Amino acid sequence: AQKVTQAQTEISVVEKEDVTLDCVYETRDTTYYLFWYKQPPSGELVFLIRRNSFDEQNEISGRYSWNFQKSTSSFNFTITASQVVDSAVYFCALGRQNFVFGPGTRLSVLP
Amino acid sequence: EAGVVQSPRYKIIEKKQPVAFWCNPISGHNTLYWYLQNLGQGPELLIRYENEEAVDDSQLPKDRFSAERLKGVDSTLKIQPAELGDSAVYLCASSFAGAGTEAFFGQGTRLTVV
Repeated sequence: AQKVTQAQTEISVVEKEDVTLDCVYETRDTTYYLFWYKQPPSGELVFLIRRNSFDEQNEISGRYSWNFQKSTSSFNFTITASQVVDSAVYFCALGRQNFVFGPGTRLSVLP
Repeated sequence: EAGVVQSPRYKIIEKKQPVAFWCNPISGHNTLYWYLQNLGQGPELLIRYENEEAVDDSQLPKDRFSAERLKGVDSTLKIQPAELGDSAVYLCASSFAGAGTEAFFGQGTRLTVV
């Protein structure tokens, strides 16, 4: 069975602080994909990044960066210099064709 | 480019009544998903289509839920009869075919059963 754990239910930071959202996954597949999605108050899940199990390179996109470590089954997401617009629920997901989502982490960035 | 379109955005019905949700995926996307999202939780897969074929409906409560994707484009999800516990957000997503392809989501339909 596949499982995604996001242990942080809610995080609050002050604008310009860095914040890391944790994601730990379980799977018996040797080939799999990991994703991060953002769900703002409007409700639509917005795709942020995809990683396959063979690519452990960290990725940076602007203020966002992702750290994938197979040894610890983790795929953590860091926002540098957070902004109020980053406030949302963030979901980590795992799968190949069907996606298993974690419970989400609600991030509040205070001005 | 238009995203995934769902309607209605909100629906309030009395228990035991039927309800239907509609989804128009992104043009060219062969794969279509219906997810259920309860308050404070992550989305859970109900059914996945590849073109017209439902390839995974193992999580769909078939006693009251049904879905169809005629012509491999638009899809409809139906609940009959609705129960109080069906109150949730129903999300539709679509993607190109292939393993690991990211899915794009609609804004969802928020169902309230009273």
